[in-house]
Amino acid sequence: DTGVSQDPRHKITKRGQNVTFRCDPISEHNRLYWYRQTLGQGPEFLTYFQNEAQLEKSRLLSDRFSAERPKGSFSTLEIQRTEQGDSAMYLCASKWTGSSEAFFGQGTRLTVV
Amino acid sequence: KNQVEQSPQSLIILEGKNCTLQCNYTVSPFSNLRWYKQDTGRGPVSLTIMTFSENTKSNGRYTATLDADTKQSSLHITASQLSDSASYICVVSADFEVDSSYKLIFGSGTRLLVRP
Repeated sequence: DTGVSQDPRHKITKRGQNVTFRCDPISEHNRLYWYRQTLGQGPEFLTYFQNEAQLEKSRLLSDRFSAERPKGSFSTLEIQRTEQGDSAMYLCASKWTGSSEAFFGQGTRLTVV
Repeated sequence: KNQVEQSPQSLIILEGKNCTLQCNYTVSPFSNLRWYKQDTGRGPVSLTIMTFSENTKSNGRYTATLDADTKQSSLHITASQLSDSASYICVVSADFEVDSSYKLIFGSGTRLLVRP
């Protein structure tokens, strides 16, 4: 499978715990995006990377959230001290700079109980 | 403010019927507009992508139109099938050349249910 892959697909965690998600983009794509989607809503932009550089962060990304893309390939999104409001689908997308097409992964569904 | 609004929020149609979904946007500078299909619990999958100069684009039973003057787009689904049941999301891209950021501005989607 050469698409964008995300792991895990589902995560249930207790409030206050830390969680980390991983995204593996399409190999030649230099841009990687993280979005959050709540039920019945469209995805909301969180942050994006060009290669290993994190170029923009949304105001939605509180200080409990951190994202990395250390080698410009896969990326991780960590949420510390999870809250019930963090329950959502976290989507990753990737694209090549010269292309207008972004490809999405299947998402990680987080449930905080 | 950059916004994308879709209507209706939800739609129920009988299998075999046609339907049209609407998207209005206020995004500047406009780069392109895409329609995505999102099955429940899955990531969005691109159906069509249209640039400023394109009025119509088809992908099988899906036909998208774009009026850049009125900033409106529609997605027409012909001869609907049960597998068309999904959320359809309109996404407008804003390319900001100054800082080279690239943003996708999403609508909330239209939830389509096709009944037998």
